[in-house]
Amino acid sequence: AQSVTQLGSHVSVSEGALVLLRCNYSSSVPPYLFWYVQYPNQGLQLLLKYTSAATLVKGINGFEAEFKKSETSFHLTKPSAHMSDAAEYFCAVSRPNAGNNRKLIWGLGTSLAVNP
Amino acid sequence: DVKVTQSSRYLVKRTGEKVFLECVQDMDHENMFWYRQDPGLGLRLIYFSYDVKMKEKGDIPEGYSVSREKKERFSLILESASTNQTSMYLCASSLRTGGFLNTEAFFGQGTRLTVV
Repeated sequence: AQSVTQLGSHVSVSEGALVLLRCNYSSSVPPYLFWYVQYPNQGLQLLLKYTSAATLVKGINGFEAEFKKSETSFHLTKPSAHMSDAAEYFCAVSRPNAGNNRKLIWGLGTSLAVNP
Repeated sequence: DVKVTQSSRYLVKRTGEKVFLECVQDMDHENMFWYRQDPGLGLRLIYFSYDVKMKEKGDIPEGYSVSREKKERFSLILESASTNQTSMYLCASSLRTGGFLNTEAFFGQGTRLTVV
């Protein structure tokens, strides 16, 4: 069965510091991987996705993620945090199974705080 | 601008009431989803629909039902609301694909339901 683990439910960084949000997955077949962001009192929006093309994926707002098959990881990074990056971040993996191929498996989320 | 619109941002209902949460999308998407989001539990799929009048149970369908009479509208129904259904409810839509779920899901703003 597929699963997604986000290490660290809360991460705090200083403004201007590197952001690193960790995501590990388990999958018996190559998955598609996603990062979504949820700002306070909002729905989720897609930051970036990996769909078996380039392993380094660039997303919106300066975020990027690297698919590492050997480590089964898809960590999200941003070189310099901004106050507006404070939000909840979710990693998700698709489930490629007949009859269930329209579902995403979600991590529990990581809340990012950015300190001035 | 693509849009998923949920009928209410905040809702307060009494125990035992029948509650309707409405979701409309204007992107001609085949797939539509209802999630609930609770602190520490991430997003949990209640139901999804991949076509008009088609529905499949998600991970936590008990106490809920859905209706999809038109492609753009997906309704979540709480047959008899209970206090443990107090939660944030998120609707989402996406294009149907032949295999992996590799397309972006678009989310509504969410409905925060309180059952008293």
